[in-house]
Amino acid sequence: EIVLTQSPGTLSLSPGESATLSCRASQRINNNYLAWYQQKPGQAPRLLVYGVSTRATGIPDRFSGSGSGTDFTLTINKLVPEDFAVYYCQQYGSSLTWTFGRGTKVEIK
Amino acid sequence: QVQMVQSGAEVKKPGASVKVSCKTSGYSFRDSYIHWVRQAPGQGLEWMGWINPHSGGTKSAQKFQGRFTVTRDTSISTAYMELTSLRSEDTAVYYCARDVLNAGDSWGQGTLVTVSS
Repeated sequence: EIVLTQSPGTLSLSPGESATLSCRASQRINNNYLAWYQQKPGQAPRLLVYGVSTRATGIPDRFSGSGSGTDFTLTINKLVPEDFAVYYCQQYGSSLTWTFGRGTKVEIK
Repeated sequence: QVQMVQSGAEVKKPGASVKVSCKTSGYSFRDSYIHWVRQAPGQGLEWMGWINPHSGGTKSAQKFQGRFTVTRDTSISTAYMELTSLRSEDTAVYYCARDVLNAGDSWGQGTLVTVSS
């Protein structure tokens, strides 16, 4: 089973700064089945990016995903107040299962 | 637009079972797998399993095998998740999510299940 390790655990930034979130897989992720979600307190997760780098419908272009193999990155350019939340990466594996990382919290500095 | 509406909060005693529904609309129910994901208080997301609404085929995480059942009723575009032999560690918010391109593009609002004696 693939394990996803997200870092850092918490990122303290100011509005206007950029955030770089990392997701590292214990094994190569095939077919680019890697997604990113945003979750705010009391809300369901919201899909931001799927297929490593494709933004979901309605997601602003300040969110971008990249990476391949075992190393993936979500970049948020010029943070706005509503971007402060917890972010999860998720992979779909050959065993037909989903696996989530433990999350990165982006908090206001 | 796509909607996933889940049933309301539940309080159960240890050893009991809970069944949560996820009523969908706005798309063809049979066309997309539905996953169940849970989140314990203050914790991250934990995948539980999926159902293929077209065939009824299912898969669950090894951790839940034997206690977790996913079913569907295509006539009302609704999926169900049942978890048996509940224990306090099962206290969590349970979500359903529609699978599009192997990611959850639409999620239910969540159902809080509290297990307490």
